[in-house]
Amino acid sequence: QLQLQESGPGLVKPSDTLSLTCTVSGGSISTYSYFWGWIRQPPGKGLEWIGSMYHSGNTYYNPSLKSRVTMSLDTSKNQFSLTLTSVTAADTAVYFCARQWVAAMVTWGQGALVTVSS
Amino acid sequence: ENVLTQSPGTLSLSPGERATLSCRASQSVSSSYLAWYQQKPGQAPRLLISGTSNRATGIPDRFSGSGSGTDFTLTISRLEPEDFAVYYCQQYGASQWTFGQGTKVEIK
Repeated sequence: QLQLQESGPGLVKPSDTLSLTCTVSGGSISTYSYFWGWIRQPPGKGLEWIGSMYHSGNTYYNPSLKSRVTMSLDTSKNQFSLTLTSVTAADTAVYFCARQWVAAMVTWGQGALVTVSS
Repeated sequence: ENVLTQSPGTLSLSPGERATLSCRASQSVSSSYLAWYQQKPGQAPRLLISGTSNRATGIPDRFSGSGSGTDFTLTISRLEPEDFAVYYCQQYGASQWTFGQGTKVEIK
């Protein structure tokens, strides 16, 4: 059974870079036809799509975050990663990674809370 | 950006009642690319419906989806205690994914 697990610092200082990794188990990140995505949820608010990456490495980002976001794949470790630069308090959220079958986020990680604070 | 607007914001119902949740898009959505999720407090969202009307694995048949173009609906035929949660619609188009703001289904 496919499982995803987010990992990374829970506290990031304002203006620093947020970095998260999603480790995939029970399946290969190189599997054809899947996208791998990041979604976030500020405390008490709704879901916001951050970006998605195809197994080939093509990336797609939310226009509102595009200038600060980078996603990458590490097939040797079966992981994919998110970096978000120049963070502010508005970036405080639970960050989820997910496997996507084109449109739908089929399998989700449990989520990782990242707080931006000095 | 294709903005999804969900209504109502909160739905207060009793167990056994029927729930009808609406999702309206600012631009037309392919029926293949409209999904619904359920989220309970402290948990990750769970895929309920993909492709407008296809239930995900393990989702009971009291959940159904319908719609086309810009108007989509999630129906829960008879609410069970475990169905009280927040529901999100989500669309894909032009290499962008967007979510609605959510509808909370609460116990009346």
